[in-house]
Amino acid sequence: DGGITQSPKYLFRKEGQNVTLSCEQNLNHDAMYWYRQDPGQGLRLIYYSQIVNDFQKGDIAEGYSVSREKKESFPLTVTSAQKNPTAFYLCASKIPGGDTEAFFGQGTRLTVV
Amino acid sequence: EDKVVQSPLSLVVHEGDTVTLNCSYEVTNFRSLLWYKQEKKAPTFLFMLTSSGIEKKSGRLSSILDKKELFSILNITATQTGDSAIYLCAVRPNTGNQFYFGTGTSLTVIP
Repeated sequence: DGGITQSPKYLFRKEGQNVTLSCEQNLNHDAMYWYRQDPGQGLRLIYYSQIVNDFQKGDIAEGYSVSREKKESFPLTVTSAQKNPTAFYLCASKIPGGDTEAFFGQGTRLTVV
Repeated sequence: EDKVVQSPLSLVVHEGDTVTLNCSYEVTNFRSLLWYKQEKKAPTFLFMLTSSGIEKKSGRLSSILDKKELFSILNITATQTGDSAIYLCAVRPNTGNQFYFGTGTSLTVIP
């Protein structure tokens, strides 16, 4: 079945450690996104990529990094520079251009302990 | 600054009630407005609206867009407990592939 797979579902990190969240899609979508969701704040854009080897910062990119070496993969690294990383992270993808919706993965809940 | 505002933030209703969720936006070069339902984890797509005054309908859910007043509403009639979720509104501008999301409305339907 086509879709977006995020892993792991739950992740615990010690303060000061970097951690990488995985996002893989087999929908053949060019555009991919990372969002952060906190209670009462909706979805905020961290990074997005419209094509392989290209990505742009969103509204809250500080403390995060991404890569887009393959069309189907868009991993997000939460670095130690991110001061408040505990949140729910959602990955999405869509066909670029056109009036089409974005499809979401099941999310990764990151907790800093 | 582009922004999307949803109201109310939360809502509790009884089964069978009708609810109206609101989404207002200030986005440069508007292209489309989308509604999503988020029950536990992944938001699922409900509607995409691009033209004013044309109602989109799916079962008990319907939505309409007013591009002059810059808002959209999502109506749910004869609510059921399965409608309990966070409803997200997102706006996409003409430039780029970004979506701007609102804070969401948390709907709880009690039996």
